[in-house]
Amino acid sequence: DTEVTQTPKHLVMGMTNKKSLKCEQHMGHRAMYWYKQKAKKPPELMFVYSYEKLSINESVPSRFSPECPNSSLLNLHLHALQPEDSALYLCASSLQGSSPYNEQFFGPGTRLTVL
Amino acid sequence: AQSVTQLGSHVSVSEGALVLLRCNYSSSVPPYLFWYVQYPNQGLQLLLKYTSAATLVKGINGFEAEFKKSETSFHLTKPSAHMSDAAEYFCAVSDFDNFNKFYFGSGTKLNVKP
Repeated sequence: DTEVTQTPKHLVMGMTNKKSLKCEQHMGHRAMYWYKQKAKKPPELMFVYSYEKLSINESVPSRFSPECPNSSLLNLHLHALQPEDSALYLCASSLQGSSPYNEQFFGPGTRLTVL
Repeated sequence: AQSVTQLGSHVSVSEGALVLLRCNYSSSVPPYLFWYVQYPNQGLQLLLKYTSAATLVKGINGFEAEFKKSETSFHLTKPSAHMSDAAEYFCAVSDFDNFNKFYFGSGTKLNVKP
């Protein structure tokens, strides 16, 4: 199994809603990532988990709350989002180690629309 | 911090023509470089990566890239474009201090004309 899965594929939510995005991989990767991608832009790193611990938080607003319950699963909890948070949210994973050549494997993304 | 620059936000070629997508890196030491492709409303897929084992790297779908230290470049090429190559292409470099952190270029959208 060499893929990263993400659910849901599409999500529409109001500014007062609470929702969660889910990401799963079964490649034995110990680094997992959340990216935000706006239209016609490159992915922007939000969070990195390494061995289930948060290792990088790119100054993301607290209305985004990541969680890594186990080595295969990554969640992103959403609360009180703003319309400008509408974007494609990408999850990725990679081998954790000392090699600089470990590529990141990306999921298909969740298209989020905040009304 | 490391960075990559992609010249040309849009490139248009005819089907069967050479594809050349440019990526220049900013680094005083050998960087760790990657090329990804993104089709509409999909995630990113790795095309190839530079591992210092060879300066000419072959990837999937007939793409290849040549690492040129003298030019600080890692341009992506394909001898003959196919309609299915129409997509967004991103060059990326991993951080020296934290290999988990990638810096992406701004992307190049490839259009293939019939």
